[in-house]
Amino acid sequence: DVLLVESGGGLVKPGGSLRLSCAASGFTFNSYVMTWVRQTPGKGLEWVSSISDRGTFINYADSVKGRFTISRDNSKNSLFLHMNSLTADDTAIYYCATFPTALTVFGVGPSGYWGQGTLVTVSS
Amino acid sequence: DIQMTQSPSSLSASVGDRVTITCRASQGISTYLAWYQQRPGELPKLLIYLASTLQSGVPSRFSGSGSGTDFTLTISNLQPEDVATYYCQRYNIAPPTFGPGTKVDIK
Repeated sequence: DVLLVESGGGLVKPGGSLRLSCAASGFTFNSYVMTWVRQTPGKGLEWVSSISDRGTFINYADSVKGRFTISRDNSKNSLFLHMNSLTADDTAIYYCATFPTALTVFGVGPSGYWGQGTLVTVSS
Repeated sequence: DIQMTQSPSSLSASVGDRVTITCRASQGISTYLAWYQQRPGELPKLLIYLASTLQSGVPSRFSGSGSGTDFTLTISNLQPEDVATYYCQRYNIAPPTFGPGTKVDIK
């Protein structure tokens, strides 16, 4: 079964940085698009970033472009999100999600499998 | 960016009812549309992708249709476990925008 386990969330001051990780298992990691989606408790879903199976296609939401960097290590079945210049608006639960490359469009696709999420709180 | 709207924002229906939720894109997106269910306190769950393809394990009372700019999610026989917020998401091109959600309750 597909298993995604996020880590790295926590409390950080405005302007600070954080690195989220997602450990994947149960599927052929290098054949799947990987995505970060965030959700503020009680609010809707916001797509943050996606990276294609070989890292060729990378996309970011305008709200994080220039501050966040997505990356993956296919040798370790791992996904990362480096977050810099954090603001209160970045406070959310961050989910790692995935879907087979064959059902996506240039590294963009739906999210069929989700991790449990990791909470990021930006506050002084 | 292509914007997504959903209607209604909330609805209340009886067990056994047929429920329809609409999602509209501000530009044509072919059939690159997904539907998700998020029950209270749970993770989002993919129901449908490519506008009408049911994700594995999803009950057949859920169905999707549409192409271009107008899409619908239909629950043919509403069950108590279907109480949730439903989101559409387009993925024809980045950013793959989510709709604002439709909250479904039982009368």
